[in-house]
Amino acid sequence: DAGVTQSPTHLIKTRGQQVTLRCSPKSGHDTVSWYQQALGQGPQFIFQYYEEEERQRGNFPDRFSGHQFPNYSSELNVNALLLGDSALYLCASSPADRLSYEQYFGPGTRLTVT
Amino acid sequence: EDQVTQSPEALRLQEGESSSLNCSYTVSGLRGLFWYRQDPGKGPEFLFTLYSAGEEKEKERLKATLTKKESFLHITAPKPEDSATYLCAVQAVGGATNKLIFGTGTLLAVQP
Repeated sequence: DAGVTQSPTHLIKTRGQQVTLRCSPKSGHDTVSWYQQALGQGPQFIFQYYEEEERQRGNFPDRFSGHQFPNYSSELNVNALLLGDSALYLCASSPADRLSYEQYFGPGTRLTVT
Repeated sequence: EDQVTQSPEALRLQEGESSSLNCSYTVSGLRGLFWYRQDPGKGPEFLFTLYSAGEEKEKERLKATLTKKESFLHITAPKPEDSATYLCAVQAVGGATNKLIFGTGTLLAVQP
């Protein structure tokens, strides 16, 4: 059973560019959340997608946007990149049965903005 | 405001030297408290969920406990492979999602 997968593993971009990160949830999961983790910090909630809609957003600007597809996979888009956007971007998925509240994380995408 | 504080920030142990990590939380209503292990450059790995005060969970050398204000992760006779950052997170009741609020983690180093 494949866990949460993310692509790419690493990415280097220049200030002002745009980036798209991808996530496939664990089998049997229908909810996807995105987190940003700066070096030495805990993950910070960006937003969550369920039924192809954004359900809640953390304290992140509109430069951060996302999408969920009918197969539950998701994309995170960041426009007009800033140096401060350099971080590990984590995707987490939650089961559709709603019997538990755990979130399972992917390996992350390391984004470096120069 | 919901908040999680972890201590210590870093902990160095000798192999076999037991200790505890602390996670203090402030939340409007606790749905669950979660412990994760994170290795450098990797995503967090789920360890435990605790839902109510008095609950305890165990896995190998790790044991997690919960009170109304804090949680402890007890590490018994640690081995070098237990070296990692341990993250604590809470979920609040209500709201539209099951978002996690994380602490900054405890970096554990176990020396042979």
